[in-house]
Amino acid sequence: NAGVTQTPKFQVLKTGQSMTLQCAQDMNHEYMSWYRQDPGMGLRLIHYSVGAGITDQGEVPNGYNVSRSTTEDFPLRLLSAAPSQTSVYFCASSYSGLAEQETQYFGPGTRLLVL
Amino acid sequence: GQQLNQSPQSMFIQEGEDVSMNCTSSSIFNTWLWYKQDPGEGPVLLIALYKAGELTSNGRLTAQFGITRKDSFLNISASIPSDVGIYFCAGQWRPNTGNQFYFGTGTSLTVIP
Repeated sequence: NAGVTQTPKFQVLKTGQSMTLQCAQDMNHEYMSWYRQDPGMGLRLIHYSVGAGITDQGEVPNGYNVSRSTTEDFPLRLLSAAPSQTSVYFCASSYSGLAEQETQYFGPGTRLLVL
Repeated sequence: GQQLNQSPQSMFIQEGEDVSMNCTSSSIFNTWLWYKQDPGEGPVLLIALYKAGELTSNGRLTAQFGITRKDSFLNISASIPSDVGIYFCAGQWRPNTGNQFYFGTGTSLTVIP
């Protein structure tokens, strides 16, 4: 299994541009999520999904869209990039979003710089 | 959002020394997780704890799920240079909307050869 994969690894955008960060997992996990990691702020949840066709907002959803058309993929879209969205983005997955107890596995991250 | 209180923030130790770090929360969790993150990489799961009082080992790493379900600690014995990195804890609980994970801000470990 490849686990959780993310592309691209690095990206530079200009303010106002849009882009999609890709995330895929091959573990048949129902639960997928997106976090951003900023110095001193820890990991903050952007959006999550407990299964195909179901998404919900996390702590910092503004400026981001998600969709979950398949179990395997959970892309994150930046609608109009802003410098405040410069960050490292991690995708993560768990077997179930509704289990009483669960672990979570992370992808390698996408490093985004917005100029 | 809720952040877990993780300490210490950073540690500088000699190779061969033991290391201890802990996380506390005001809320109870169903699961406690410990991760290591190397520079430029994603967090890697080290240990998962599922039961209050549980003590689990993974090689030189030992972690415990606190009895109150509000805390956890991670010990590393006989540290080696490749232990360098950022360690952080995570707590999991399940509201009706689906699993939620909360994270500590990390402990940066430097091992001096």
